[in-house]
Amino acid sequence: QSALTQPASVSGSPGQSITISCTGTSSDIGSYNLVSWYQQHPGKPPKLMIYAVSQRPSGVSGRFSGSKSANTATLTISGLQAEDEADYYCCSYAPTSTVVFGGGTKLTVL
Amino acid sequence: HLQLQESGPGLVKPSETLSLTCTVSGDSIGSGRYYWGWIRQPPGKGLEWIGTIYYTGTTYYNPSLKSQVTISVDTSKNQVSLKMNSVTAADTAVYYCMRQSTGSYQWTFDFWGQGILVTVSS
Repeated sequence: QSALTQPASVSGSPGQSITISCTGTSSDIGSYNLVSWYQQHPGKPPKLMIYAVSQRPSGVSGRFSGSKSANTATLTISGLQAEDEADYYCCSYAPTSTVVFGGGTKLTVL
Repeated sequence: HLQLQESGPGLVKPSETLSLTCTVSGDSIGSGRYYWGWIRQPPGKGLEWIGTIYYTGTTYYNPSLKSQVTISVDTSKNQVSLKMNSVTAADTAVYYCMRQSTGSYQWTFDFWGQGILVTVSS
């Protein structure tokens, strides 16, 4: 299966909102509500931020939200903060019983 | 609290077998509440799912790695193991042990170990 497509980088100023897109196909993102998003700071393991397209785990800030339309999932971060600067990866279930990750997006807080 | 601790050699020679163990504390693999598995990340690159195992021994593998990988579980030791044979420099990566949800939200990786860097070099 092919990797999901994410922009290599996005940036925003503190307080602004940014979005990160994740484009797959009708076989993965388009067919299943099993998209998750992970935040990774340098030298640290990834951290789950969103699961099942738009669900937020306990302890994750409400500034993080997820959505999906057709074959594209989107992560939105509102009220951008310096601590949000990190790499973000999307992930989707893909048939049969596999998963595929996006290439990652580097978020820079200006 | 939950901890996943990866262990194993940090250096493996080309064509040899990479062997890693993940010791779980703070949860019981045998409870069946979660799946467990491995994800890797080459230096400076993105994430790649390797495979997943349930306490019963049922496994799921990345099709591109399936011929090279074996994941096993030892519920008595609360450990998950990874073996990858015939490694090359392309297998150099940080290897993460992870916990995976079951049920409706399966295929969500909700907890990760700190990772272990494995370098393939002679």
